[in-house]
Amino acid sequence: SQTIHQWPATLVQPVGSPLSLECTVEGTSNPNLYWYRQAAGRGLQLLFYSVGIGQISSEVPQNLSASRPQDRQFILSSKKLLLSDSGFYLCAWDRGREDEQFFGPGTRLTVL
Amino acid sequence: KQEVTQIPAALSVPEGENLVLNCSFTDSAIYNLQWFRQDPGKGLTSLLLIQSSQREQTSGRLNASLDKSSGRSTLYIAASQPGDSATYLCAVAPLYSGGGADGLTFGKGTHLIIQP
Repeated sequence: SQTIHQWPATLVQPVGSPLSLECTVEGTSNPNLYWYRQAAGRGLQLLFYSVGIGQISSEVPQNLSASRPQDRQFILSSKKLLLSDSGFYLCAWDRGREDEQFFGPGTRLTVL
Repeated sequence: KQEVTQIPAALSVPEGENLVLNCSFTDSAIYNLQWFRQDPGKGLTSLLLIQSSQREQTSGRLNASLDKSSGRSTLYIAASQPGDSATYLCAVAPLYSGGGADGLTFGKGTHLIIQP
């Protein structure tokens, strides 16, 4: 069976510090991978998606970047965090357009 | 730009009642629609996926319908239980794919409380 992991589970960082969140998927190959953010009082917003190694598409301009160094690994990064980067970050995967998306447990990021 | 709206934003009902959650979307050019459940502080659990060519999907006590032309979906929960308490999210995938991947557009959810 397939599983998706995210770490860390929670993170408190000062403004201006760097960020690295990691997502890995087990039990499948060549998945589509996604990063979403859920901010307080707002719905989930798609940040990035990837259809393969090294292939990243960004949905909204922002202070964040994403990378996919391996088939089942997706990383969300920032060089300098802003207060507005606080939120609940969710990674998701699917096998293709016909498939449901499956979500990880999320990372709660608080920027102070 | 696709917009997804869920009504009501919150709902509290006694255990055992049947209930309906509503989802509407502004652009009918969708590939599929998915219903999720989110428990506090947790990730999303997929409940049902309806392809654009389908009218409904069922899983246990859950039934989801889709009327693509009118831009609406409903999630029907039969014989509600306290364990059904959670936030329910509706999301749509666009008809035209970004290279084979579909970022979903989500509603803000319905916060459901089932009173014992």
